[in-house]
Amino acid sequence: AQSVTQPDIHITVSEGASLELRCNYSYGATPYLFWYVQSPGQGLQLLLKYFSGDTLVQGIKGFEAEFKRSQSSFNLRKPSVHWSDAAEYFCAVGSNFGNEKLTFGTGTRLTIIP
Amino acid sequence: KAGVTQTPRYLIKTRGQQVTLSCSPISGHRSVSWYQQTPGQGLQFLFEYFSETQRNKGNFPGRFSGRQFSNSRSEMNVSTLELGDSALYLCASSRDREDEKLFFGSGTQLSVL
Repeated sequence: AQSVTQPDIHITVSEGASLELRCNYSYGATPYLFWYVQSPGQGLQLLLKYFSGDTLVQGIKGFEAEFKRSQSSFNLRKPSVHWSDAAEYFCAVGSNFGNEKLTFGTGTRLTIIP
Repeated sequence: KAGVTQTPRYLIKTRGQQVTLSCSPISGHRSVSWYQQTPGQGLQFLFEYFSETQRNKGNFPGRFSGRQFSNSRSEMNVSTLELGDSALYLCASSRDREDEKLFFGSGTQLSVL
């Protein structure tokens, strides 16, 4: 069965600094990978997705992620964070063959300090 | 195009009661998935509906049920509520069964007292 690990529960970054959120997945074939963001009390918004092709994918709000098959990773990056990026970020892996469409990681809460 | 709409936004119930939550998917989307989100367990898959049929089900007791109507709108029901059912219930729609790009609603925050 597929699984997703987000090793960092909480990350604090200064405004303007760069950001990298880690995600490792376990899946038997080429996975479909996603990053979602959730603001407090809200649903999840899709930031970006990887299905195939170029391993560096661009998303909304200036985010990008790189798929590294050798490391089973799909880390999310942003060169310069803004206070509005404070939220919870979820990595997810999808499967046409699994029981559920998406399996989510436990999330990383991002705090931005001035 | 309107997004996924979930009603009500907030609910307060007491133990033993039942509750029905509603979800209207994005127009043209035929697949609806439900997730339960709690601080301790994160996002857990409840079930998925497509063409009025439950296609997949997560590891939840039979107190949790759902259905989908011909217009793709979906409802989920929780009977005999327990304190542990307090959670944010998220509905997500996608174009069809094979499409894993989920669009989420804002959720229904259920509190069981």
